Amino acid sequence: QVQLVESGGGVVQPGTSLRLSCVASGYRFRTYGMHWVRQTPAKGLEWVAVIWHDGSKTYYGDSVRGRFTISRDDSKNTLYLQMNSLRVEDTALYYCARDFGVTDYKLDLWGQGTLVTVTS
Amino acid sequence: QSALTQPPSASGSPGQSVAISCTGTNSDIGDYNYVSWYQQYPGKAPKLLIYEVNKRPSGVPDRFSGSKSGNTASLTVSGLQAEDEADYYCTSNADSQNFKFGGGTRLTVL
Repeated sequence: QVQLVESGGGVVQPGTSLRLSCVASGYRFRTYGMHWVRQTPAKGLEWVAVIWHDGSKTYYGDSVRGRFTISRDDSKNTLYLQMNSLRVEDTALYYCARDFGVTDYKLDLWGQGTLVTVTS
Repeated sequence: QSALTQPPSASGSPGQSVAISCTGTNSDIGDYNYVSWYQQYPGKAPKLLIYEVNKRPSGVPDRFSGSKSGNTASLTVSGLQAEDEADYYCTSNADSQNFKFGGGTRLTVL
């Protein structure tokens, strides 16, 4: 079954760290780029980060650049998001998504999301 | 980087056609044919509906179509059905570092 399953969300205090994981199954993980996208009721969908299929390039949205790190372990079919210096405004449902695009980003497979709540 | 602008809501009766707009700038939508649309039901993950302005992934009904004129892209839902009631988001990325989502449009089937 082709799917993505996120985990690692939880309730944390501002300034702390959290690592999200996304396990892929049912397809050749190493041949696809991968993204993290987050969603809040107030701001809708917001792109967080992308990592190339071979891990050679990573890019980040303005609001997380310098605090979050995206990485992948192809031997474990797993995508990660290391989130440091968390802020209240990072509270969101975090999705991982597969990208089949070559010239632009096209997210054709999404996980069910993992909830991150940052509160004091 | 500014987000893409969508109307917050749209509506139509069963069988009608509804168009949802997505306005960007001449640096993103206006300059590239890299516009996608996603459909999202409450409590569910988004689903890719349209990519590269007007292409449909396998399994997406041809009632869904996309177009672009200048800095504005549009998603048209023809022959509206009750199951089309959902949120719709547009995206555009002019380059690898600028991936933008629209604010989303809630489509209501009357």
